[in-house]
Amino acid sequence: EIVMTQSPATLSVSPGERATLSCRASQSVSSNLAWYQQKPGQAPRLLIYGASTRATGIPARFSGSGSGTEFTLTISSLQSEDFAVYYCQGSGTFGQGTKVEIK
Amino acid sequence: QLQLQESGPGLVKPSETLSLTCTVSGGSISSSSYYWGWIRQPPGKGLEWIGSIYYSGSTYYNPSLKSRVTISVDTSKNQFSLKLSSVTAADTAVYYCGSAAGMWWFDPWGQGTLVTVSS
Repeated sequence: EIVMTQSPATLSVSPGERATLSCRASQSVSSNLAWYQQKPGQAPRLLIYGASTRATGIPARFSGSGSGTEFTLTISSLQSEDFAVYYCQGSGTFGQGTKVEIK
Repeated sequence: QLQLQESGPGLVKPSETLSLTCTVSGGSISSSSYYWGWIRQPPGKGLEWIGSIYYSGSTYYNPSLKSRVTISVDTSKNQFSLKLSSVTAADTAVYYCGSAAGMWWFDPWGQGTLVTVSS
């Protein structure tokens, strides 16, 4: 069974700064990697699929990279609405999440 | 555009079977373009994929839950369903349904429904 490990658990960032979130798979998931954003009381929202393709309506400040076992989600300039929990998902298995909070 | 809505009991007794239904609107559940899946989230915790079904009826389950899970499709009602047997308090969670164009990439999701397992 694949294990997805996200780091860090919490990321404190000031508005306007760049945020870099990491996700590691215990075995290769090729490019079968998605990123989701979840805000309190809401369902998750798909941001990135196929490791690097933005979902419909997702702003260009969100970008994904990586393949195999190492993946990164970058938010180039954090907006107030971006403070949330982010999950990666590799071939079905979710990571434990990274909370992006205001510094 | 696709919209999904979960429905079912909010309270289930231990050892019984949890049953939920997801109603799809804005598209056909028989479309070859989508997989249909269930994901859950215990209160204050992370997400767990439960399983998915393709329009053909092929099913894919999380190995950790496989022995207790059944997902099925009712094309006449444009719905798909989840049954989770022998539930315990550890199965208390918000249960989401979702559509996945790429088998794993769920978009959109339903709003979620809280199911509590308690006597």
